[in-house]
Amino acid sequence: SAVISQKPSRDICQRGTSLTIQCQVDSQVTMMFWYRQQPGQSLTLIATANQGSEATYESGFVIDKFPISRPNLTFSTLTVSNMSPEDSSIYLCSVDMGTGLAFFGQGTRLTVV
Amino acid sequence: QQQVKQSPQSLIVQKGGISIINCAYENTAFDYFPWYQQFPGKGPALLIAIRPDVSEKKEGRFTISFNKSAKQFSLHIMDSQPGDSATYFCASYTSGTYKYIFGTGTRLKVLA
Repeated sequence: SAVISQKPSRDICQRGTSLTIQCQVDSQVTMMFWYRQQPGQSLTLIATANQGSEATYESGFVIDKFPISRPNLTFSTLTVSNMSPEDSSIYLCSVDMGTGLAFFGQGTRLTVV
Repeated sequence: QQQVKQSPQSLIVQKGGISIINCAYENTAFDYFPWYQQFPGKGPALLIAIRPDVSEKKEGRFTISFNKSAKQFSLHIMDSQPGDSATYFCASYTSGTYKYIFGTGTRLKVLA
């Protein structure tokens, strides 16, 4: 397994601003993922963060809105840009240890007002 | 279509009872089926997982039953406790893609 730390755990932001969410893992991992979970809903994959290359985005998510950095094998950031109330959600960092099992951080609860 | 259908959406069980959550998938390329437990304000935590060459896997009070021909799998929680009250997600995974398809979730409430 892996210990995944996300910061911040929650935030309230003004519309039009940006928020950067950090994800730190206690071991080196190849694959890191960012998910969005809207209240009471399931998990939707935003993008896969690859170290040393551009992130791979899922349909409906674009780099201009959700830029991702992956500077090394233990760290990644997700920025939610030019936020609107529709971006209010829980954002989750996840890793795959190569076992086919995903491990998640505790999430960042974002409220946009 | 890559989809995982989960039912029921919500479930209320008496303490000591059996909680049963079902999932059905369509894509036969899936080769790993984990279940996750999520408490309010927390990220999903891996509970138990099964590969399609096994029909049943048990870990403590949690059991996965897998029916490959029907493309269905289920989570059974024996002797359900109030502390089991959470949202449960099934998932399907294809090796090499690193992609997980999650079910819609089941909100379980165990009454004391």
